[in-house]
Amino acid sequence: EPEVTQTPSHQVTQMGQEVILRCVPISNHLYFYWYRQILGQKVEFLVSFYNNEISEKSEIFDDQFSVERPDGSNFTLKIRSTKLEDSAMYFCATALGGQGLGTDTQYFGPGTRLTVL
Amino acid sequence: AQSVTQLGSHVSVSEGALVLLRCNYSSSVPPYLFWYVQYPNQGLQLLLKYTSAATLVKGINGFEAEFKKSETSFHLTKPSAHMSDAAEYFCAVSPNSGGYQKVTFGIGTKLQVIP
Repeated sequence: EPEVTQTPSHQVTQMGQEVILRCVPISNHLYFYWYRQILGQKVEFLVSFYNNEISEKSEIFDDQFSVERPDGSNFTLKIRSTKLEDSAMYFCATALGGQGLGTDTQYFGPGTRLTVL
Repeated sequence: AQSVTQLGSHVSVSEGALVLLRCNYSSSVPPYLFWYVQYPNQGLQLLLKYTSAATLVKGINGFEAEFKKSETSFHLTKPSAHMSDAAEYFCAVSPNSGGYQKVTFGIGTKLQVIP
């Protein structure tokens, strides 16, 4: 069964450094999302992306964050200057799109654990 | 704003016993509701989804959930727990005005199955 994959599984970085988290969506999926889960807290929505532009973003997704599909396949989340509070598990999700039952179901990847020191 | 509340961050059941994980939602209009499961070191897997069709929704691995508008609830049940059901379960909600909108998650309930 096709699945969403994410790399790396674990990233350790120093405060102030830039990180790029990568997601490979399920083939033919058109909608992309990033969520994060700080340890012990809820999974929170960050951003949704469709047709090469942001559809919706949360208040967490400030100017330090950006998303793109640089090569039409990978979907990336960049944090320009990491802070201690950015330490969390980051989940990518994708949905097929179009009409029909189940086409809006979001499929989640295994996550990238980001640790900011 | 939509939200869900999961009652009980940890639930323990004996193998073979009924599993009941509680979720209440808050929404001004009937939303889409979901249950996701997360096994250790894995991603979030969709167990089942309510999208305003049948109020009793059957999912994978023998789980089901019933949408009760009068109680604003969407509790997850399984008649007989199996050791492999030990995982964290998340109730979630999204607007029903278009399925591509964000999903809002509850805090999660860790299910322990005792042999």
